[in-house]
Amino acid sequence: SAVISQKPSRDICQRGTSLTIQCQVDSQVTMMFWYRQQPGQSLTLIATANQGSEATYESGFVIDKFPISRPNLTFSTLTVSNMSPEDSSIYLCSVVGDRNNYGYTFGSGTRLTVV
Amino acid sequence: TQLLEQSPQFLSIQEGENLTVYCNSSSVFSSLQWYRQEPGEGPVLLVTVVTGGEVKKLKRLTFQFGDARKDSSLHITAAQPGDTGLYLCAGAPDFGNEKLTFGTGTRLTIIP
Repeated sequence: SAVISQKPSRDICQRGTSLTIQCQVDSQVTMMFWYRQQPGQSLTLIATANQGSEATYESGFVIDKFPISRPNLTFSTLTVSNMSPEDSSIYLCSVVGDRNNYGYTFGSGTRLTVV
Repeated sequence: TQLLEQSPQFLSIQEGENLTVYCNSSSVFSSLQWYRQEPGEGPVLLVTVVTGGEVKKLKRLTFQFGDARKDSSLHITAAQPGDTGLYLCAGAPDFGNEKLTFGTGTRLTIIP
């Protein structure tokens, strides 16, 4: 199945600044998914990133706050813009790792703390 | 909106005991997956169940998909400290729709 390299693994940022998170996949994939995991909670889908088209955002998430790039079939970035302490979370990218069992493969996550 | 409720939310048991985690919804899913997440890592797929009533075993872990494909359970026999982690169920609404809905999570701690 696919292997994802996600960076940075963690960061501490000042409020009002922006952070860009990168995910590199070792194979070409059609869709990449970006999730947020707030402290002690489950995963919430932010958006689906398709190569060659605009990302599709879930309810409660907007492009101005979480712009996404998908320049090719192996790479995507998520930017968390104009950060506030409420944005402190783990951000994860994922792809469909194995179409035979519908399983997802996840990056190791970016732990963001906004101060 | 499809919701997946897991119970219990937290579970702390002694090594060697058995346990069951439940994942329930009012919605039907085409498939349901179970993941385990350890601190500092992303979730790792344990199993996918697809057919109503299906039972899959992975060593000491037994997974069951409800007949109506609305619920699932994970049973661990003779729990070990290595089983400690956050267990997440996740459902896919339709085949070909790859957007998963994740359950609320069960944080399991196995005490040596």
